[in-house]
Amino acid sequence: EAGVTQFPSHSVIEKGQTVTLRCDPISGHDNLYWYRRVMGKEIKFLLHFVKESKQDESGMPNNRFLAERTGGTYSTLKVQPAELEDSGVYFCASSPRGGGYYGYTFGSGTRLTVV
Amino acid sequence: GENVEQHPSTLSVQEGDSAVIKCTYSDSASNYFPWYKQELGKGPQLIIDIRSNVGEKKDQRIAVTLNKTAKHFSLHITETQPEDSAVYFCAASTASYDKVIFGPGTSLSVIP
Repeated sequence: EAGVTQFPSHSVIEKGQTVTLRCDPISGHDNLYWYRRVMGKEIKFLLHFVKESKQDESGMPNNRFLAERTGGTYSTLKVQPAELEDSGVYFCASSPRGGGYYGYTFGSGTRLTVV
Repeated sequence: GENVEQHPSTLSVQEGDSAVIKCTYSDSASNYFPWYKQELGKGPQLIIDIRSNVGEKKDQRIAVTLNKTAKHFSLHITETQPEDSAVYFCAASTASYDKVIFGPGTSLSVIP
């Protein structure tokens, strides 16, 4: 079974530019989560999709962040325009059932550096 | 909302010694406590979890304990090996949450 795939693995962009991160969850996993780890702090929740619907987007920092999940398959997270404080590692995770109660499978993450 | 604290932030042990990482949580409704291990260049991987109806769970060299009254839970690694070196995250959730709340992580180094 293929795992959760994220790309790019690294991205370096200038402040003010746009970046789009992509996540392909495990096939059949309806639940998809985005998390972010900034400067060695906790892995912080951003949002949760159930199929193509946003179940919870309470962790999205501001309206510069836009997440989509086309047809309930892969998901993208766009940052526009990027700011310095957006630097960090963005993780995607998927789960067959919701609630985080059954364990997540994480991707390897995208390391975003905004300069 | 839930808040998870974790200590220590860094931990160095000699190979063969034990390592203990401690976490506390704030929401008494939390009833699921997973632990994740993140190796360099990889995403976090679930290594063990415990639910609130259990006080202790063991899987080979790792064990977790849970004290619901004190809202504490801990990870114990015995007979540490160099491949145990990684960042470990504790987390908390409930069956009604649609998300897991993570602690800040512990960087464990096992010195050969």
